[in-house]
Amino acid sequence: GDSVTQMEGPVTLSEEAFLTINCTYTATGYPSLFWYVQYPGEGLQLLLKATKADDKGSNKGFEATYRKETTSFHLEKGSVQVSDSAVYFCALQREETSGSRLTFGEGTQLTVNP
Amino acid sequence: EAGVVQSPRYKIIEKKQPVAFWCNPISGHNTLYWYRQNLGQGPELLIRYENEEAVDDSQLPKDRFSAERLKGVDSTLKIQPAELGDSAVYLCASSLDSGGNEQFFGPGTRLTVL
Repeated sequence: GDSVTQMEGPVTLSEEAFLTINCTYTATGYPSLFWYVQYPGEGLQLLLKATKADDKGSNKGFEATYRKETTSFHLEKGSVQVSDSAVYFCALQREETSGSRLTFGEGTQLTVNP
Repeated sequence: EAGVVQSPRYKIIEKKQPVAFWCNPISGHNTLYWYRQNLGQGPELLIRYENEEAVDDSQLPKDRFSAERLKGVDSTLKIQPAELGDSAVYLCASSLDSGGNEQFFGPGTRLTVL
């Protein structure tokens, strides 16, 4: 079945550091890929998405590129801020077989220190 | 525009007791989802509604869980009787329809079963 694997966390960085959170997936066909963010006490929010190979999703300085050859969708940001502290979830969706069900990774806790 | 509303935000019950969660989706959203998020894991879909019809309930433990979405708007998820392993965050999400549209998540209900 479909699955998403994220890098083991938590991740702790200093402000302005470079961020990479790894995400790999297992799925047949051509899933859409997503990054969601969950701030403390809030619901999940869509951060960015990509729907086909080589697409790059970007938002708020975050980027991720859909790499079909490596089945990966790594999240990157060049300079993190304290306000980026949150839990980040990678997810996939295969419309043709599972409707609009999202399959999530386990999440990565990011803490950014001043 | 109001987001997805869930209540209660927190619930503590004794095992074998019943419990119910309520969700009000974004106005005009036809598709409603219930996810369960165990501690340290990503959300997993329990059930998906298209208007008032449950179209994907394959992951719902039907011996103790039930859900309804009367009139295709608000939804209630019930557990009876609750078990210790049901402790989790229950998330509601909605989207315009299931055609790959963005899912908007509520803040969730954190259930603790003692």
